[in-house]
Amino acid sequence: SQQGEEDPQALSIQEGENATMNCSYKTSINNLQWYRQNSGRGLVHLILIRSNEREKHSGRLRVTLDTSKKSSSLLITASRAADTASYFCATDAELGGSRLTFGEGTQLTVNP
Amino acid sequence: NAGVTQTPKFQVLKTGQSMTLQCAQDMNHEYMSWYRQDPGMGLRLIHYSVGAGITDQGEVPNGYNVSRSTTEDFPLRLLSAAPSQTSVYFCASSYHLRGEKLFFGSGTQLSVL
Repeated sequence: SQQGEEDPQALSIQEGENATMNCSYKTSINNLQWYRQNSGRGLVHLILIRSNEREKHSGRLRVTLDTSKKSSSLLITASRAADTASYFCATDAELGGSRLTFGEGTQLTVNP
Repeated sequence: NAGVTQTPKFQVLKTGQSMTLQCAQDMNHEYMSWYRQDPGMGLRLIHYSVGAGITDQGEVPNGYNVSRSTTEDFPLRLLSAAPSQTSVYFCASSYHLRGEKLFFGSGTQLSVL
């Protein structure tokens, strides 16, 4: 069963615009992570936010976490064509054992 | 520093054949895992290992075997391939057991006819 669910499934924007992707999960977590996957490649870790954190920044990325709503959002500012990829959230559940559980991903397309 | 290396990149099997997907990491990671990725299903954990000689099942272990004889290697064996095992397989590793970011290999595209 999927712990994290991303929304929307697909997002198409113009270069320079901001992109926001959301992730909802079901159980209490230790941390939540966001990954990026370019077509035909493996996943690359973007950012990790712990359950006691509310916001983290990394370059043009901003991640928020609301544990009361069991949700997270990933904001990419000033998007570029090179940001075109699938984005996945992954949760490390408190009672999940030694595993990260991934959502189905959001396909982001940034048009030049 | 190669990171996580998976071989082969592509493989076509006939139903009933067996094969081994190789995974090696050179980062001295304790934790290694195998995921499969299917359209609309995200990534699902097959098996994982928290150190040499220690393995455990993930969400979808049936039809797959693993072993961990060294820290570096974590092969995934398909004993008798089935069309339902057509998927993209990813190996991933991290330093420790819990909560660490994963380093992924580039994947193996497997088709079972």
